[in-house]
Amino acid sequence: QLVESGEGLVQPGGSLRLSCAASGFTFSSYWMSWIRQAPGKGLEWVANIEKDGNEKNYVDSVRGRFTISRDNAKNSLYLQMNRLRAEDTAIYYCAKYDFSHFDSWGQGALVTVSS
Amino acid sequence: QSALTQPRSVSGSPGQSVTISCTGTSSDVGAFNYVSWYQQHPGKAPKLMIYNVTERPSGVPARFSGSKSGNTASLTISGLQAEDEADYYCCSFTGRLYVFGTATEVTVL
Repeated sequence: QLVESGEGLVQPGGSLRLSCAASGFTFSSYWMSWIRQAPGKGLEWVANIEKDGNEKNYVDSVRGRFTISRDNAKNSLYLQMNRLRAEDTAIYYCAKYDFSHFDSWGQGALVTVSS
Repeated sequence: QSALTQPRSVSGSPGQSVTISCTGTSSDVGAFNYVSWYQQHPGKAPKLMIYNVTERPSGVPARFSGSKSGNTASLTISGLQAEDEADYYCCSFTGRLYVFGTATEVTVL
């Protein structure tokens, strides 16, 4: 099970940190990802992080502004979002990545960037 | 990285078969057998339906099947049922990153 938290309304240029609490599987054995969905739009992969947190990858539109991290001792995944823009408004899902696919998803956290 | 191309909508009567295409390039769909498909009902999180082009997770009905030819992957729903009405997304590995399709709305008439 994956449960996101930290959703909210933030002004353009502001920051927000999302968290994802994992349970029911060995968190430290899996890559994890963040995937987002703008209102009424399709899915967009945002970032992923290797099991030990050493390798991280980002979509071009967030690289340099967002940071993915994890704490295996707390079974938690994080997404630090800085310099937020209106186009970052979306539901953010955390997802467990099993080698080639996303086999478990959280319920999502709504991030709204607006003045 | 551009989104993979899917038809905006497909429809069929209960019991019929529908096929959703997912067209990419030789850098994503054509390069790797790592295409997956996700079903999303309104207001819900996506659910994995097919992975590695043809593999079906446990619990997913056998009427869902996947295939690939060149740069195009396909999801077929055989024996369409009312609960299959949803949005469907394909997804492909691109080497380091992932790209999703543009979404297909399946309507059961």
